[in-house]
Formats: sequence, C-alpha cells, structure tokens
Amino acid sequence: QSALTQPASVSGSPGQSITISCTGTSSDVGGYNYVSWYQHHPGKAPKLVIYEVSNRPSGVSNRFSGSKSGNTASLTIFGLQAEDEADYYCSSYTSSSTYYVFGTGTKVTVL
Amino acid sequence: EVQLVQSGAEVKKPGESLKISCKGSGYSFNNYWIAWVRQMPGKGLEWMGIIYPGDSDTTYSPSFQGQVTISADKSVSTAYLQWSSLKASDTAMYYCARHRKEKIINDYWGQGTLVTVSS
Repeated sequence: QSALTQPASVSGSPGQSITISCTGTSSDVGGYNYVSWYQHHPGKAPKLVIYEVSNRPSGVSNRFSGSKSGNTASLTIFGLQAEDEADYYCSSYTSSSTYYVFGTGTKVTVL
Repeated sequence: EVQLVQSGAEVKKPGESLKISCKGSGYSFNNYWIAWVRQMPGKGLEWMGIIYPGDSDTTYSPSFQGQVTISADKSVSTAYLQWSSLKASDTAMYYCARHRKEKIINDYWGQGTLVTVSS
C-alpha cells in the first residue's frame, strides 16, 4: 500500500484560498468516505481538521473545507492566515491489509 | 479532558531494546483504539498499527509487522511501542493517538516521543 499522493508544497498570500489535493485509488480514497485531514505544526501534535471527507470537528475553523471527486480528495483553506502555515496530511481507510494510510504531506506556506 | 501523555525522549545505541509509552486519561481508555504513527526526520507520517486496550486486539501495518511490538496495559491506561533490537533507521518521532474505528480518525494525539539511535 503506497502513501496517498499530495503536492509537496502549496503557497498563498494572506486572505487567499488554497486547495491541497490527495490522490489515491478505488481501494482507499475513491472507495470509501473515510478521508480525513490533519494539520501538523513542526514540534507539535498533529490536529484533525476534517473527517469523513467534509466534516469539521468541533472547534475547527469553518475556513477549512473538504471534498472528494473520484479517487481524489481535496482540502481547501479559505481566507488564508499566517497561523495556517503548517504541514497537512490526508489519510484514508484502505481495503488493503494496511487498513489505514497517510498522504505524502503538503507544506503550506503563507507568503 | 482527553489527554495522551507520552514518555520522554530516548537516545539508544544500535542493537539495544526500547519500550516507549503512551498514557491516556480523561476517557475510558479500554474502549478506544490507540494508534502509533512514525515520522522520520524530514519525512511524512507513517501508520504503524493499532491496539484495542480492552482485549489487546492488535493490527500492524505490513511495513512494521515483525519490526515492533505494540502492547497495552489497561490497568494503568497505557499503551506501549517496543523494539527488541534498534537500528539507526528507527530514529524518528513517534506519536500515539486515540483512534476511532467508527469514523476512521485519530482525534487526540500525544505530544510525541523522539527516539534517536546512534552509535
């Protein structure tokens, strides 16, 4: 089971919107609505920001939005803020013996 | 308040054994899976496996099967990750997380344990 594919980096100016893609297969992203996204600031614990493709946990800003089309899931951050600068990882259930897989990670830079 | 508190950083030599811990509090520890996640220096998150403390049911990622042992002691609300013979390539940050199988998410995370293996 290979990691889900994400772009290595995405950048945007404050106030802009950015979208991070997460591409898998029909055995993971495309086959199940169990895609989640994590925000990871270096040196801190990862934080869940989206689960089940498009749901936000309590306390997570509504500037974070998730969606999915086919084998590709996406995380959009609206109104980019300096505090959003972090690494972002998608993840998914997989029907393979691995059970669960992370994406390769995307570094978001706020210009 | 749900908390997962991990043991402190470790510096070990190749071939040595190691057991790191993850203590849960603020919830019914026995009834939630605990996941272990590796992050090697400069790399991404990797799924290692999960354990259900209630009955110690364990699932390993194939990449880690046979390389580590995941265990739990429900009497002290603690999960463990152990190595019998460390390698330099085990140098990484290791995170535990509370894993909810009904939603396939890791909703609470420990602060991480840095393991450094060097001769």
